[in-house]
Amino acid sequence: EAQVTQNPRYLITVTGKKLTVTCSQNMNHEYMSWYRQDPGLGLRQIYYSMNVEVTDKGDVPEGYKVSRKEKRNFPLILESPSPNQTSLYFCASSLLGAQETQYFGPGTRLLVL
Amino acid sequence: AQSVTQLGSHVSVSEGALVLLRCNYSSSVPPYLFWYVQYPNQGLQLLLKYTSAATLVKGINGFEAEFKKSETSFHLTKPSAHMSDAAEYFCAVVWGSARQLTFGSGTQLTVLP
Repeated sequence: EAQVTQNPRYLITVTGKKLTVTCSQNMNHEYMSWYRQDPGLGLRQIYYSMNVEVTDKGDVPEGYKVSRKEKRNFPLILESPSPNQTSLYFCASSLLGAQETQYFGPGTRLLVL
Repeated sequence: AQSVTQLGSHVSVSEGALVLLRCNYSSSVPPYLFWYVQYPNQGLQLLLKYTSAATLVKGINGFEAEFKKSETSFHLTKPSAHMSDAAEYFCAVVWGSARQLTFGSGTQLTVLP
């Protein structure tokens, strides 16, 4: 089944404790992206990648890191989480091309205490 | 900056009534336009998209949307609402060669029995 998977689905952590949210897709997509969803703000892009070893900032990159060492994986790293990073996070992937549909993972709900 | 506006953060309709969810974008350059749906505790799923072919686009679950360049709008409609349509709906836009998907703030649709 074609899908985007994220782990963990739920995470509670404390300020300053490094964490990684994994994202993997099995559709051989070149493009991958991370978004955060906050009430009343819709989804905002954190980082995106157009291919292996090619990443770029989205609208809200501060406090986040990403890497793309393999085509299928695109982990999101929070080196020192803060409470304002409490949010619902989505990973997405697509073929290259502005008109291509992005396929979303099920989301990771993060609470930073 | 280019933006997407969804009028009405909450819309309620009776079962069997017309659904109309509004989306306007700000740009002089025709974009690619998408409507995504998010059911509770799930990721986003594509309903339909406009990619400069037909201006009236039909999607899944009986939804359709019409691209109106003169009004810079891409409103989502469904003739008869079902209880299963209750969800949050997001309009999203990509401009030109940009890879970045910009989302509206979302509209929560409630269907009343």
